[in-house]
Amino acid sequence: AQKVTQAQTEISVVEKEDVTLDCVYETRDTTYYLFWYKQPPSGELVFLIRRNSFDEQNEISGRYSWNFQKSTSSFNFTITASQVVDSAVYFCALSEALWGGKLTFGKGITLSVRP
Amino acid sequence: DTGVSQDPRHKITKRGQNVTFRCDPISEHNRLYWYRQTLGQGPEFLTYFQNEAQLEKSRLLSDRFSAERPKGSFSTLEIQRTEQGDSAMYLCASSFSALRQGRTDTQYFGPGTRLTVL
Repeated sequence: AQKVTQAQTEISVVEKEDVTLDCVYETRDTTYYLFWYKQPPSGELVFLIRRNSFDEQNEISGRYSWNFQKSTSSFNFTITASQVVDSAVYFCALSEALWGGKLTFGKGITLSVRP
Repeated sequence: DTGVSQDPRHKITKRGQNVTFRCDPISEHNRLYWYRQTLGQGPEFLTYFQNEAQLEKSRLLSDRFSAERPKGSFSTLEIQRTEQGDSAMYLCASSFSALRQGRTDTQYFGPGTRLTVL
């Protein structure tokens, strides 16, 4: 069975601070995908990134960066110089890679960025 | 390029009534997924289709729930004899999959249908 744990439930930071959102996963699959989605107050889930289990290279996209460590089954997300518009709920998710199919989500982390 | 659309966006119904939701996927996507999200939780998988075939159903999907995708394009999710516990956001997502090419693309989500059962 697959499981995603986001131990942090709520994080509050002041604008321009860096913040890291943690994600730990469990799976018996040998190949899988990991995802991060953002859910702003409007409610729609917005795709941020997908990583294949074979690719452990860290990725940076603007102020966002992701650290994938297979040895610790973690896929952490860092926002550098946070902005008020980053306030949202962030979900980490997992799917089996070969056939794709369902996403297994964590419970989400509510990030509040104060001006 | 239009994204995933869902209709209605909000539905209020009385316990015991039937409700039906519609999802229109991104046009070139052959897979369509339904999820349910309750307050403070992540989305939970309900079922998914590849073209018109329903490939997997969650144990969460009781007999009162039925989903269809008759022509491999839009999908409907019907809940019969609604209960207060059915109150949730129902999310639809779509993606493209070509297994022979080893390709399974990212799921993109619609805005959701918020169901309130009184």
